[in-house]
Amino acid sequence: DGGITQSPKYLFRKEGQNVTLSCEQNLNHDAMYWYRQDPGQGLRLIYYSQIVNDFQKGDIAEGYSVSREKKESFPLTVTSAQKNPTAFYLCASRARPQETQYFGPGTRLLVL
Amino acid sequence: DQQVKQNSPSLSVQEGRISILNCDYTNSMFDYFLWYKKYPAEGPTFLISISSIKDKNEDGRFTVFLNKSAKHLSLHIVPSQPGDSAVYFCAATAGTYKYIFGTGTRLKVLA
Repeated sequence: DGGITQSPKYLFRKEGQNVTLSCEQNLNHDAMYWYRQDPGQGLRLIYYSQIVNDFQKGDIAEGYSVSREKKESFPLTVTSAQKNPTAFYLCASRARPQETQYFGPGTRLLVL
Repeated sequence: DQQVKQNSPSLSVQEGRISILNCDYTNSMFDYFLWYKKYPAEGPTFLISISSIKDKNEDGRFTVFLNKSAKHLSLHIVPSQPGDSAVYFCAATAGTYKYIFGTGTRLKVLA
């Protein structure tokens, strides 16, 4: 059945290490998104992609990178430049503007 | 600048009564609004949406009201059930690919 999958569910990062969070969707949606949620806060946009091979920075892109080589996949790399990476990361996708955005189950990133 | 605001961080309601969650926005270009429900350590689940050309949309126990002149929307849940206890986010978009989310309201339905 259709949906958005994120892996892993939990991820541990050591100091100075880059880590990659996976996001896959089989909804045939054009647009994909990455958000970060911190305790007691809303969802903040990191990056989004409207089509394959194109992506735009969101409000908090520093320390993160993405790629969109396939329509179904939008991985997020948390680089060592991100000084406060501990958060809950959510991937989402949407077919067209003015349509509903659907979310994956999330990945919790923790720093060792 | 917080374009979408949920000024009540929490709300408690008795089971069977009405829950009213509020959301205010500042950008008059927003033309589509959504409500999501979120449990801890899970992704948000879409509940209901409304286009700016309407002022009300209903889906079962959930009704969203939009007051464009006041730049205010609300979500009504009737009757409230213990399973409705979660964090509720409102979101808005202006016909682009970008969505703006509020900070959420934690609803607790008391049995």
